[in-house]
This record gives sequence, C-alpha cells and structure tokens, in this order.
Amino acid sequence: AQSVTQLGSHVSVSEGALVLLRCNYSSSVPPYLFWYVQYPNQGLQLLLKYTSAATLVKGINGFEAEFKKSETSFHLTKPSAHMSDAAEYFCAVSPNTGGFKTIFGAGTRLFVKA
Amino acid sequence: DTGVSQNPRHKITKRGQNVTFRCDPISEHNRLYWYRQTLGQGPEFLTYFQNEAQLEKSRLLSDRFSAERPKGSFSTLEIQRTEQGDSAMYLCASSLGGDPRTDTQYFGPGTRLTVL
Repeated sequence: AQSVTQLGSHVSVSEGALVLLRCNYSSSVPPYLFWYVQYPNQGLQLLLKYTSAATLVKGINGFEAEFKKSETSFHLTKPSAHMSDAAEYFCAVSPNTGGFKTIFGAGTRLFVKA
Repeated sequence: DTGVSQNPRHKITKRGQNVTFRCDPISEHNRLYWYRQTLGQGPEFLTYFQNEAQLEKSRLLSDRFSAERPKGSFSTLEIQRTEQGDSAMYLCASSLGGDPRTDTQYFGPGTRLTVL
C-alpha cells in the first residue's frame, strides 16, 4: 500500500523567502514521486517527478525536490518565493511498475506575502 | 495540442438525478484517468483506461458510477441517483503511456458537481 502525508495544510512565506513544502511517503515498493501545482480554476500541472534516477530533481518555475529514502521524504523547495507561486501544491506517489494509480496527498496551500 | 478538456465545467443537480460528464483527452494519448477531489483533499483515483479497456476501478467507484471510453478517445463518467456526498470536483487526466519513467499525466480543469 502507498500513502502520502503533506505536513501543513497552509504555508505562508514572504516574497523572496525560501519555500519549503514537506512531503513524506509510505510505499512497499520503490516509488515514483511527484509534485503537482494547482492554480485556481485550473487543472493540476506537473512540477517535477522522481523516477529513481538522480535524487535531486529539478522542475519548472525554479522548484526542486530531493528524494531521501532514509527519511521517506520528498520535500519541495524554491530558494526565493514569487507572488505567482501562490497556489495549492500536491505531493503524489505511484508504484514504479506503472504510474496509473497515483495516490495524492491532501495538499498544501502556499501563501506569498508582499 | 489543446490539452485535456472537460464538459461541463459546472453541474448543479438535484439529489436522485443522473449526471454525465465528458472528458476529451489529448490527441493520441492512450491512457485516461478519472479522479474525484473533495474540498480540502487531494485527488482520489477512480478509474483508468488503456485505450478502450477499463483496467482498474477504485472501491470508491460504487455501482452508481460507470465510466466508458467506447472508441478509445473521449470518455464519459455517469453517476446515477446522485447523492449529496457525490458533490465534488471530477478530474480527468490523460497520458501517452509507454515507459512509466517518462509517462506524464496531463489534467483537465475538472467538472464541479453540486448535488442539492
């Protein structure tokens, strides 16, 4: 069985500050891990994904995430927040045998203060 | 490439009525997925198609729910005898298939269902 826990349903940062969104996973098989972003009235958009290659994954819009097997974590970071980063972020996991059944976390809403 | 489209975008219905949603995937995408997202939660997997074959259904998909993808292109999701608990955003996604390391799901904007 697989599951995802996102720590913090809301995170608030100042513009220019570090963004850190936390995700821990549970998986009985080696996982693929994903971060998606959802802007209001828009569909989910893939930010980045880990598929057992490099543990540090770079995505779009300056985001990156690091896979840490020992900590079962896949935290999302961005060095400097921009107002346009305000959105809901979802961490997700799927088995590395095929990504069709993706399990999503509950989401973290990121607020960026001017 | 116009992206995944879903219609209608909003649906308000009375309890007990049947509703049908449509999803048009990205052209040539073999895989199609349906998810349900309730307020404050992440998307929950409902079902998945490989071309026209429905390969997996979640336990969340009760007998009142049925999905089809008759020609391996667009898909419909029907809910019969709607209940207030069915109120949610219904998301569709599609992907090309093939190597799971590179396969990516592209999501539509969703259909928001409100059951009164």
